[in-house]
Amino acid sequence: QVQLVQSGAEVEKPGASVRVSCKASGYSFVTYVIHWLRQAPGESPEWMGRIIPVNGGNGHTIYSQKFQGRVTLTSDTSASTAHMELSSLTSEDTAVYYCARDPLDDSNALDYWGQGTLVTVSS
Amino acid sequence: DIVITQSPLSLPVTPGEPASMSCRSSQRLLHSNGHTYLDWYLQKPGKSPQLLIYWGSTRASGVPDRFSGSGSGTDFTLKISRVEAEDVGIYYCIQSLQTPWTFGQGTKVEIK
Repeated sequence: QVQLVQSGAEVEKPGASVRVSCKASGYSFVTYVIHWLRQAPGESPEWMGRIIPVNGGNGHTIYSQKFQGRVTLTSDTSASTAHMELSSLTSEDTAVYYCARDPLDDSNALDYWGQGTLVTVSS
Repeated sequence: DIVITQSPLSLPVTPGEPASMSCRSSQRLLHSNGHTYLDWYLQKPGKSPQLLIYWGSTRASGVPDRFSGSGSGTDFTLKISRVEAEDVGIYYCIQSLQTPWTFGQGTKVEIK
């Protein structure tokens, strides 16, 4: 069955970087887009960007301008895993971070989500 | 960025009764390919969001037919024909027409 399993909770200090992983199984990794979203406590989800995995390549990325320059999305097709790295963390980056997949068609539908990774930024 | 506004923010419901919620976009969500990029998700307490409706009115695989989406242009509606206890949670509409994709504030559905 399709699964997106994310890495565990992280606690980081302000100014540090965090890397969250999303391991896909149960489907062909390169036939779906991986999106990254985050949800601060009590808030709506917020879209951060997406990557189209490419065999042997870096993948095709689009980032929200809000995070441009601070977020990097990568994919490792040999491990069916996507990564999200966010730098220059502040307390406002405390949130649950999600990966989700959407088929490489015109639906833009996020049909499977990871379980979420809590990132806490605190001194 | 496209702004999405949902109403009401809170919706007390009675099991077996219908429920309805609205979503309004600051821009039309119709793509040149003919599809309207307005989706509905339900986030149950403590869980990841789950897809209910995409293209404004297409139910996702496995979604019960008591859920229906309608609307066009900038105004959209999600209806539940007969609410069940398992339908509690926060319903979000999201536009995926242009990046950044943007969410509404959510409608919290709870049992009366």
